[in-house]
Amino acid sequence: GENVEQHPSTLSVQEGDSAVIKCTYSDSASNYFPWYKQELGKRPQLIIDIRSNVGEKKDQRIAVTLNKTAKHFSLHITETQPEDSAVYFCAASTGSARQLTFGSGTQLTVLP
Amino acid sequence: DAGITQSPRHKVTETGTPVTLRCHQTENHRYMYWYRQDPGHGLRLIHYSYGVKDTDKGEVSDGYSVSRSKTEDFLLTLESATSSQTSVYFCAISGGGGMNTEAFFGQGTRLTVV
Repeated sequence: GENVEQHPSTLSVQEGDSAVIKCTYSDSASNYFPWYKQELGKRPQLIIDIRSNVGEKKDQRIAVTLNKTAKHFSLHITETQPEDSAVYFCAASTGSARQLTFGSGTQLTVLP
Repeated sequence: DAGITQSPRHKVTETGTPVTLRCHQTENHRYMYWYRQDPGHGLRLIHYSYGVKDTDKGEVSDGYSVSRSKTEDFLLTLESATSSQTSVYFCAISGGGGMNTEAFFGQGTRLTVV
């Protein structure tokens, strides 16, 4: 089955700096790659996603890039703010029921 | 937020007892999923459903069973709870119209097995 690895597990940045989180996947049939943000005690919420026919997608301060040949995708957050502090999960979707395989998460801390 | 509700939100149970968690959706989405979340492991898929009475196993299905008798309800049962099943359980739904594959999560159920 699919295996998703995520790095780093923790990341601290100064407010205003950029943050990058990287994920690799194993199943070349995966075709949908979402990123979720989870605040403490809350449910995961989708922040951005990308499909396999697209190389990059941006939404304000957040961007995701996908390299299908290398089987890796990355989340980029620019001009970080304290409210960006949370756990971020990458995931890859494959299978007839679009089930998601998640990375192990990155705890992002934005220092004021 | 998508109409997805989990019950109960918190539960403490004893080892060896059966436990059932409920996920209820009002979005008429085709696919429903149960995940467990443990520190260092992210979210791991337990079971999923692709329609009424259609279910399949995920990555960590041992000790769990599921049922889906109606589109809106997906039940997760721990037949005989063990301490290793202490976790936070999330239900998710997806399968809105067209190519929409976004998964929406419920609020989670914190289960403690003592």
